Amino acid sequence: KQEVTQIPAALSVPEGENLVLNCSFTDSAIYNLQWFRQDPGKGLTSLLLIQSSQREQTSGRLNASLDKSSGRSTLYIAASQPGDSATYLCAVGKGYSTLTFGKGTMLLVSP
Amino acid sequence: KAGVTQTPRYLIKTRGQQVTLSCSPISGHRSVSWYQQTPGQGLQFLFEYFSETQRNKGNFPGRFSGRQFSNSRSEMNVSTLELGDSALYLCASRKVGSGGGYNEQFFGPGTRLTVL
Repeated sequence: KQEVTQIPAALSVPEGENLVLNCSFTDSAIYNLQWFRQDPGKGLTSLLLIQSSQREQTSGRLNASLDKSSGRSTLYIAASQPGDSATYLCAVGKGYSTLTFGKGTMLLVSP
Repeated sequence: KAGVTQTPRYLIKTRGQQVTLSCSPISGHRSVSWYQQTPGQGLQFLFEYFSETQRNKGNFPGRFSGRQFSNSRSEMNVSTLELGDSALYLCASRKVGSGGGYNEQFFGPGTRLTVL
């Protein structure tokens, strides 16, 4: 059974800092990995999708990497801003649309 | 382009009642998945529908069911509600590629269900 772990569970940083969120998964036979952000009480916003054949994806200040063999992914956020404060969720996909989610990292960026 | 929409946004029900939630996917998306989010268990997959057929189902009791219509809109139903069913129910849609594809999933805002 696939298990997804996200470290740290919570993170507080001052504005402007670069930061890394970690995601690990137990079954490396995945089709893709997707990073989301969730604001309190809201739905999920897709940030980046990495296919199993890819090593990384970039969007603006975000960069996500994938190492399937070691079962790890990282989300790098450059020059963090207060608007980045949210919960970040990592999800691995295997088979159709089934995503297995981690519990998330709650990020607080203070001005 | 409009995103995934879910109705209603909030629901309050009592134990033993049943509830139906609705999801309209992004135009052109034929796959719809449902997830339950609770503080204790996090996000858990309920089921996925594609072309009006359930393709995959998570580990939930039979009280949880769903269906998809020919226009790809989907509904999920929970019968005999229990207190533990209180959760945020999220719907996601995906544009299935010609080879099946593993495209990005887009989520709706969710329906917050409270069971008293």
